[in-house]
Amino acid sequence: EVQLVESGGGLVQPGRSLRLSCAASGFNFADSAMHWVRQAPGKGLEWVSCINWNSNSIGYADSVKGRFTISRDNAKNFLYLQMNSLSPEDTALYYCGRWVAGFDQWGQGTLVTVSS
Amino acid sequence: AIQMTQSPSSLSASVGDRVTITCRASQGIRNDLGWYQHKPGRAPKLLINAATSLPSGVPSRFSGSGSGTDFTLIISSLQPEDFATYYCLQDYSYPWTFGQGTKVEIK
Repeated sequence: EVQLVESGGGLVQPGRSLRLSCAASGFNFADSAMHWVRQAPGKGLEWVSCINWNSNSIGYADSVKGRFTISRDNAKNFLYLQMNSLSPEDTALYYCGRWVAGFDQWGQGTLVTVSS
Repeated sequence: AIQMTQSPSSLSASVGDRVTITCRASQGIRNDLGWYQHKPGRAPKLLINAATSLPSGVPSRFSGSGSGTDFTLIISSLQPEDFATYYCLQDYSYPWTFGQGTKVEIK
């Protein structure tokens, strides 16, 4: 069974950092492009970042570029999102998703709350 | 960044109604567009990829059309389980962008 499980969310003060993880199982993670998508409270979905199978192609939303870094460990089947200089506008439920001609698999999300 | 303008932002409909949601891109995106259904407390679900392709397991009452800048999602006969928020997503160029969403509510 394909499974994506996010972790690492929590309450963090503005300006601080947080690293999200996404554990993948049930499929060949090393062959898959992976993404992060978020949803702020009461708002729509926002695409955040993506990384191709060998980390040679990476993209970021303008709102996080320069502050967030996506990475992956194909040996451990993990996707990461390092989030620095967090602001209240980053408060959201963060999903990891597998891209195969569309987001065909998603995790259940991990909640990040940025507040003093 | 490519802007995706989705309309309407919300609609009320009855079971059995035909529902149409549109998405317009600020520049041509070929057919690099998908449609997603999102219910509260659940992960989004892929409904349509490549503008018109129905993934396995998605009911045939869902269909997509369009290319270039104008796209449409049609639900031919709305079912009770279809009340949700729908989003388009362009995957033509980075940064990828979602539409603002269309909330489909019960009339």
